[in-house]
Amino acid sequence: DTAVSQTPKYLVTQMGNDKSIKCEQNLGHDTMYWYKQDSKKFLKIMFSYNNKELIINETVPNRFSPKSPDKAHLNLHINSLELGDSAVYFCASSQDKGAYTFGSGTRLTVV
Amino acid sequence: GEDVEQSLFLSVREGDSSVINCTYTDSSSTYLYWYKQEPGAGLQLLTYIFSNMDMKQDQRLTVLLNKKDKHLSLRIADTQTGDSAIYFCAESYGGATNKLIFGTGTLLAVQP
Repeated sequence: DTAVSQTPKYLVTQMGNDKSIKCEQNLGHDTMYWYKQDSKKFLKIMFSYNNKELIINETVPNRFSPKSPDKAHLNLHINSLELGDSAVYFCASSQDKGAYTFGSGTRLTVV
Repeated sequence: GEDVEQSLFLSVREGDSSVINCTYTDSSSTYLYWYKQEPGAGLQLLTYIFSNMDMKQDQRLTVLLNKKDKHLSLRIADTQTGDSAIYFCAESYGGATNKLIFGTGTLLAVQP
């Protein structure tokens, strides 16, 4: 059983489209995160939810909107995709101040 | 600032020891972590150290922490080709949230 699962694994789409990435964790963790990894492998936090409440909202274009229907799910919706949005997006979860468990990533390519 | 710095690349021969270094910024970090990322995969937790410790050993892995200099290192003994990956250090940024700030990553290449 995968602890943190993301779908899809690969996403290729045209500029201007709207897309969603889904994340689910079965670890019973209270907190979930979205990180973006760029082509130089830099990892930067985007959002975090604790028990469905938004607790971290970094400087991210408002075209990106996270949604957490329950504490086991955190989805990321992106409107009007741009070339610069191409990256690998990682979902992660943690319990309290504990270590993160990461998903395997979603590679988004905007053409 | 939130910069966590690592050297970009390290090349070692199989069987040698590898030492990956990291300089972090937040002296109030409670935990510091080492993660491993293999090609096309997510980040896998390798080990972590609590900020009141100087050293932690876990099988082939040894973590050293110098709080005064805000320096963290990961030593891998008897490095194997399967250890080839990108290694990230991370600090838990101070405050109420569990925000991790990741380093720039070190690509470890193990030559047979």
